[in-house]
Amino acid sequence: GQNIDQPTEMTATEGAIVQINCTYQTSGFNGLFWYQQHAGEAPTFLSYNVLDGLEEKGRFSSFLSRSKGYSYLLLKELQMKDSASYLCAVRDRTNAGKSTFGDGTTLTVKP
Amino acid sequence: DAGVIQSPRHEVTEMGQEVTLRCKPISGHDYLFWYRQTMMRGLELLIYFNNNVPIDDSGMPEDRFSAKMPNASFSTLKIQPSEPRDSAVYFCASSSPTSNYGYTFGSGTRLTVV
Repeated sequence: GQNIDQPTEMTATEGAIVQINCTYQTSGFNGLFWYQQHAGEAPTFLSYNVLDGLEEKGRFSSFLSRSKGYSYLLLKELQMKDSASYLCAVRDRTNAGKSTFGDGTTLTVKP
Repeated sequence: DAGVIQSPRHEVTEMGQEVTLRCKPISGHDYLFWYRQTMMRGLELLIYFNNNVPIDDSGMPEDRFSAKMPNASFSTLKIQPSEPRDSAVYFCASSSPTSNYGYTFGSGTRLTVV
């Protein structure tokens, strides 16, 4: 099975940098996703990591260490609109189309 | 592509009534998922299909819930009879190998059972 841990809540200041961590214990690993979900909306895809290292996409970056079962999402130059829930999801090894989601981290960006 | 399309967006019904939620996945996506989201329980996987075949329905709460996927472009989630504790946002999502099986979610159906 899968066990995914994320902090429940985080607060950061506009313009700052924030790192949201995700740790996982799985019976098999086939990639890790990060999704963003604004209040009242559906989750949307942010990033995908399957190899170790950092993937950068504009203000957002995602890092993966498979040996440590660890990932983080890095948000730079925070904006008020970045206030949202961030979901970490691990792709199943035996059933490649299915992912298991963490409970999400609610990020509040303050002026 | 119009994305994953769900209907209705909002549904208010009385306890005991039948509710049917609908989903049209993205064309070419071979996986379809039904999730339920509440503040208390977060995002729960109810059931998912691969190539229109149900693979795992262990997340379906009880026999009052049923789901079908008669073809690659349509799926339904039915609750009969509905109860107030079924009130939640129900999301449909689809995925395919072309996106590394990242999910595309529909806008969701907000169900309120009174």
